[in-house]
Amino acid sequence: DAGVTQSPTHLIKTRGQQVTLRCSPKSGHDTVSWYQQALGQGPQFIFQYYEEEERQRGNFPDRFSGHQFPNYSSELNVNALLLGDSALYLCASREGGETQYFGPGTRLLVL
Amino acid sequence: SQQGEEDPQALSIQEGENATMNCSYKTSINNLQWYRQNSGRGLVHLILIRSNEREKHSGRLRVTLDTSKKSSSLLITASRAADTASYFCATDAQGGSEKLVFGKGTKLTVNP
Repeated sequence: DAGVTQSPTHLIKTRGQQVTLRCSPKSGHDTVSWYQQALGQGPQFIFQYYEEEERQRGNFPDRFSGHQFPNYSSELNVNALLLGDSALYLCASREGGETQYFGPGTRLLVL
Repeated sequence: SQQGEEDPQALSIQEGENATMNCSYKTSINNLQWYRQNSGRGLVHLILIRSNEREKHSGRLRVTLDTSKKSSSLLITASRAADTASYFCATDAQGGSEKLVFGKGTKLTVNP
């Protein structure tokens, strides 16, 4: 059983560009959350998707948007990239239970 | 903002010794979870303890929770070099575990 998968593993962009990160949840999981982890910090909640709708959102600007597809996979989009968006982006999934299972992350570098 | 604060920020021990990490949080919770992260990779779930539990064990891990003090501790017994990682506590800030709020983590180094 594959766990949570994310793509790409690494990404380099320049300021002002747009980026799309992808996540496939663990089999049977219907809820996907996205987190941003800056260097030396703990992960910070961006938003959560369930039944293709954003259910809860953290303190992130509208430049951060997402989508969930009928197969429960999800995308995170970030527009107008800033240097401060450089971070590890983590996707987590769960199915009803309390435990969230994390993927390996996408490391984004904005130059 | 970070909900939890792990203590210490960094811990270095010898293989075979026990490692204890502490976590404090600010608001009422439903449960508290501990995660491990190796070298900036994904988070691995270690253990979940509910607010009505005081202690939980899983293999070499022992977690305690004191809701009156809003604190938790993670004990790793008989540590191994492979335990070298960052450890985070995470709490559900609201009633439904929808959003995990993490501390800054404890960086554990186990020397062979």
